[in-house]
Amino acid sequence: DAGITQSPRHKVTETGTPVTLRCHQTENHRYMYWYRQDPGHGLRLIHYSYGVKDTDKGEVSDGYSVSRSKTEDFLLTLESATSSQTSVYFCAISVWDNQPQHFGDGTRLSIL
Amino acid sequence: GQQLNQSPQSMFIQEGEDVSMNCTSSSIFNTWLWYKQDPGEGPVLLIALYKAGELTSNGRLTAQFGITRKDSFLNISASIPSDVGIYFCAGLNNAGNMLTFGGGTRLMVKP
Repeated sequence: DAGITQSPRHKVTETGTPVTLRCHQTENHRYMYWYRQDPGHGLRLIHYSYGVKDTDKGEVSDGYSVSRSKTEDFLLTLESATSSQTSVYFCAISVWDNQPQHFGDGTRLSIL
Repeated sequence: GQQLNQSPQSMFIQEGEDVSMNCTSSSIFNTWLWYKQDPGEGPVLLIALYKAGELTSNGRLTAQFGITRKDSFLNISASIPSDVGIYFCAGLNNAGNMLTFGGGTRLMVKP
């Protein structure tokens, strides 16, 4: 267990609604990441954070925003969910850049 | 974006057999990582490789970082039923802030 808690673990919502996923870590790691996992695409980076209030875009950032007001929490927001954002979302942490990332157990999000 | 080609996509083997899977890339990576994912869980780190040519073991698992820095392989010796799962390779970019994942190898072990 890498000390990462994702919430909720499952969510079903409707197109057009806002959705926020939370990642909480107890490791005091500087770096936090959000990935999505889809069949045929593996895991792809959405956004990452390299410190409180410091974030940057990943490979598939369109339609997503993030915030990090505390070291331990990294939030992923879908402002207006679309069906293409149905996926399993994983949070990951690393103590520093160039270090292996450790993953949470994921949030399964279905947008109808 | 960058692509990692992982093969084979799936394997169905007998318990006790050895397994080999590999990953190739069109780009150079400074770090190669191997993860295992069980259903309903996140990927778990198995082995990390930091230098070209490096050969690292973790129990029955052995992985190597290719000399060209564009490939890596993972071997599992004497497979057991709990080895079942999906194995992913991942390359860490030069900036150290983005992992690129392969498509995964689904391993099935027949007792």
